[in-house]
Amino acid sequence: SQQGEEDPQALSIQEGENATMNCSYKTSINNLQWYRQNSGRGLVHLILIRSNEREKHSGRLRVTLDTSKKSSSLLITASRAADTASYFCATRLPPRQLTFGSGTQLTVLP
Amino acid sequence: GAGVSQSPRYKVAKRGQDVALRCDPISGHVSLFWYQQALGQGPEFLTYFQNEAQLDKSGLPSDRFFAERPEGSVSTLKIQRTQQEDSAVYLCASSLRLGTGGNTIYFGEGSWLTVV
Repeated sequence: SQQGEEDPQALSIQEGENATMNCSYKTSINNLQWYRQNSGRGLVHLILIRSNEREKHSGRLRVTLDTSKKSSSLLITASRAADTASYFCATRLPPRQLTFGSGTQLTVLP
Repeated sequence: GAGVSQSPRYKVAKRGQDVALRCDPISGHVSLFWYQQALGQGPEFLTYFQNEAQLDKSGLPSDRFFAERPEGSVSTLKIQRTQQEDSAVYLCASSLRLGTGGNTIYFGEGSWLTVV
């Protein structure tokens, strides 16, 4: 079963706009990670935020975590057509393994 | 190799046929994971190895699924008597250290299985 739920399921924006994706999860976690998957490819790790962190930045990515609401958001600023992909959040609470959400399909129109 | 390598990339199997999917993790990576990803869904955990030891197989959907990593490097996921619901992408991943806590895990491109 999937631990997380991403919202929205699909998002379409114009190049240059910001894209925000949300993730909600059900149980306590050790950390939360975001992954990207291009069509027909494997997953690529983007960023990890620990349960004691509230915000983290990496380039054009900004991730927030609210453990009281069991939710996280991924913001991609100044989006590019190459950002078109599916984005997944994944959580882990030992001894469970990394558990993924159902993903947000982002389309950035040139 | 530079990344996680999986083979075959695409496999069409007739219902009832046995299939074997291979994963070559990044050299030296201790942890190896198998995930199953249905179309339009996120990956679902199948099993986890630490070196040659299979420490968690709680995600294997039935006893038709079997995974091994006999020498702590290459791993094989075997599916016996395939059924249509087994159609999915099977993703292999590896990480340098134990488990996934705080360690980056690297995914292969996946093996796309279609059961007809």
